[in-house]
Amino acid sequence: EIVMTQSPATLSVSPGESATLSCRASQSVGSDLAWYQQKPGQAPRLLVYGASTRVTAIPGRFSGSGSGTEFTLTISSLQSEDFAVYYCLQYNTWPDTFGQGTKVQIK
Amino acid sequence: EVQLVESGGGLVKPGGSLRLSCAASGFTFDVYSMMWVRQAPGKGLECVASITRSSAFINYADSVKGRFTISRDNARNSLYLQMNSLRVEDTAVYFCARDQSPIDHWGRGTLVTVSS
Repeated sequence: EIVMTQSPATLSVSPGESATLSCRASQSVGSDLAWYQQKPGQAPRLLVYGASTRVTAIPGRFSGSGSGTEFTLTISSLQSEDFAVYYCLQYNTWPDTFGQGTKVQIK
Repeated sequence: EVQLVESGGGLVKPGGSLRLSCAASGFTFDVYSMMWVRQAPGKGLECVASITRSSAFINYADSVKGRFTISRDNARNSLYLQMNSLRVEDTAVYFCARDQSPIDHWGRGTLVTVSS
């Protein structure tokens, strides 16, 4: 199965600053990469799919990039509601596999 | 509004069985593939099983192959997961999810605890 590796595991950021989250695939997944946000006690929420296409309801401060094996989610000007755990998911090859998550916490 | 509501979780002993259900509403159920995803306490996410809209293609994670069975009833807008030979490591919140490649909607989940 394709192994997804996220870095860093934890990111400490001050409100208003930007955050850059990385996700690496063990083999190429093309652009079949999505990003999710999960808050405690909630289901994940889809933010980005196709590596860079933002879901309609998601604020413009979230942007995704990359292809092949290297992907990035950038959150510009972090708001209080953005502190959460973020997961990448490859859906190119079954089993669809998630990264282990990056926790974005308040600095 | 898309809604996915899971039920059927609970406490079961190792080796036991449980059947999860997911009631879907707010969309045309038989147009979409569906999936079960689980999350062990404090851990990450694992896709457990997927099923295409007509049940023609079904996939399982290696960790549950031969023990779990995914199925659906399009007439009832429902998704199921039959879990047999449960192990302690199957303890998790199980989410029902709509697969739009990728998953675009999730239920709130149902907790399955496997413990003696």
